[in-house]
Amino acid sequence: SAVISQKPSRDICQRGTSLTIQCQVDSQVTMMFWYRQQPGQSLTLIATANQGSEATYESGFVIDKFPISRPNLTFSTLTVSNMSPEDSSIYLCSAATDTGTDTQYFGPGTRLTVL
Amino acid sequence: EDQVTQSPEALRLQEGESSSLNCSYTVSGLRGLFWYRQDPGKGPEFLFTLYSAGEEKEKERLKATLTKKESFLHITAPKPEDSATYLCAVQGFRGGKLIFGQGTELSVKP
Repeated sequence: SAVISQKPSRDICQRGTSLTIQCQVDSQVTMMFWYRQQPGQSLTLIATANQGSEATYESGFVIDKFPISRPNLTFSTLTVSNMSPEDSSIYLCSAATDTGTDTQYFGPGTRLTVL
Repeated sequence: EDQVTQSPEALRLQEGESSSLNCSYTVSGLRGLFWYRQDPGKGPEFLFTLYSAGEEKEKERLKATLTKKESFLHITAPKPEDSATYLCAVQGFRGGKLIFGQGTELSVKP
């Protein structure tokens, strides 16, 4: 398994500003992912964070809005840019360890409120 | 299109009253089906991975089963601490992305 931490745990931001969320894994992992969980909804994948290359974004999510960095095998950041109230969500980081099982372990999430 | 549907949306049980949660799925080549537990204000906690029809896995009061179209999470003699939202997710043959259902919110009353 993997232990994943995220910073910040929560934040309240003003419309038009940006927030960068950090995700730290306690071991080297090949794959890291960023999900969004809107109020009352389930999880939706935003993008796969690839080490050493650009992130792969899902339909409906774009790099200008959600730039992602993956500088090494244990760390990733997600920035939510030019925020609007519709961006209020929980943002979750996950990682898949190299065990061949494809199991993803999740961080505690970052609760973002945009005013 | 890959899709996951969970039922019921909410389930209220008395302590000790066994029941089952359902996860129906359609996916292009199932690589794995995953069950998670999510407590309020926390990230999903991994429970089980199932890979092929007929497979079963158990952990304490929980047992997960898989067919070609659905998975069941059986809860035997639940306790109040089993109260949580249970999420089902599938992964297609390309790996990576998990497709989640809406979850079943379980409440167990003493």
